[in-house]
Amino acid sequence: KAGVTQTPRYLIKTRGQQVTLSCSPISGHRSVSWYQQTPGQGLQFLFEYFSETQRNKGNFPGRFSGRQFSNSRSEMNVSTLELGDSALYLCASSSGTGATVNEKLFFGSGTQLSVL
Amino acid sequence: GESVGLHLPTLSVQEGDNSIINCAYSNSASDYFIWYKQESGKGPQFIIDIRSNMDKRQGQRVTVLLNKTVKHLSLQIAATQPGDSAVYFCAEGSLEYGNKLVFGAGTILRVKS
Repeated sequence: KAGVTQTPRYLIKTRGQQVTLSCSPISGHRSVSWYQQTPGQGLQFLFEYFSETQRNKGNFPGRFSGRQFSNSRSEMNVSTLELGDSALYLCASSSGTGATVNEKLFFGSGTQLSVL
Repeated sequence: GESVGLHLPTLSVQEGDNSIINCAYSNSASDYFIWYKQESGKGPQFIIDIRSNMDKRQGQRVTVLLNKTVKHLSLQIAATQPGDSAVYFCAEGSLEYGNKLVFGAGTILRVKS
């Protein structure tokens, strides 16, 4: 069974540009969550989607947005990039909504975004 | 459990010894806690979890201990191996907030052969 797949693996952008990252969850998983990882702030929750609906949102500005498609694949978009957006963006999938402790999160290897 | 700072604590152990990694969490209302392992260039990998109504859980070579009185979580790794070298994160979750996890800052584990 293939794991969580994130594309691209690396991305270099300049300030002011926008970027779209893609995530394909494990087959059969309907929940996709996004996390940002930086050396300074560690791992921080961005948002979670289940059945194409955003269920939870973290404390990030509106420049960060996401969506989920009917096949459970998800994209996240960051507009008007800032230097501080440089980070590893991780996608995680789960079979459920996290309403029980048995629904584990499986992470992809991430997209490393560098903003110059 | 809030992530802090740039400098992660480092634990260096000799191969074959037991390792104990500690974590202080923030929310006494969290329903469950998870330990993740992250190797260089990879995403976090699930190790073991524990519900808030438990104080100990054992897996293969790993044991998690939960002390709710002092909001402390620990991960014990028996007979540590070079392949255990990684960054270890604790995370806390609430059934109310689904898959939204709050991660700790992480601990670097280095295994010396």
